Amino acid sequence: NAGVTQTPKFQVLKTGQSMTLQCAQDMNHNSMYWYRQDPGMGLRLIYYSASEGTTDKGEVPNGYNVSRLNKREFSLRLESAAPSQTSVYFCASRAGMGIQYFGAGTRLSVL
Amino acid sequence: DQQVKQNSPSLSVQEGRISILNCDYTNSMFDYFLWYKKYPAEGPTFLISISSIKDKNEDGRFTVFLNKSAKHLSLHIVPSQPGDSAVYFCAASAQTGANNLFFGTGTRLTVIP
Repeated sequence: NAGVTQTPKFQVLKTGQSMTLQCAQDMNHNSMYWYRQDPGMGLRLIYYSASEGTTDKGEVPNGYNVSRLNKREFSLRLESAAPSQTSVYFCASRAGMGIQYFGAGTRLSVL
Repeated sequence: DQQVKQNSPSLSVQEGRISILNCDYTNSMFDYFLWYKKYPAEGPTFLISISSIKDKNEDGRFTVFLNKSAKHLSLHIVPSQPGDSAVYFCAASAQTGANNLFFGTGTRLTVIP
């Protein structure tokens, strides 16, 4: 049982380049989330999808777009990467009572 | 403004002793609280949770205490083991509305053999 799978694990971009972070879950969860983790900042919510076909902004959505492709997949896109987007990105999906299950993360560096 | 705060960035404890990790929150609408554990290069893993209708929840070596009047919760690990060395995140949510999680900044626990 894979749980939440994120690809890629590592990525280096130049300023202005675009990329899409992929996330898939096999637990049949309705809700999915994208977070970023920065030193001393904890995890901050970028976007979330409460169910297939819906997406909403979280705490730090600027510079990002998302697509809930189907119930399993939720992607995060950086259209024009900036050094401030250097971070570790985590995808999560939610079971009942608020418990979220996380992927292993994507470590992104923007030069 | 940070709605969930972990004021101790790090904690060191001897193996076999008790580890106590603390967390404070400001939003009185929060009614569900979770602790996550994170090893380097891995995602956070769910550890234990507590609903606001309880003041204590126990799972093996892990116990979470909730003091609603003080808006404070703590995680006790007894006895601490070297494999418990990780970053621990406190998180909170309100069961109405979007039900999103708000995370603290984490406490790095080191258990010394």
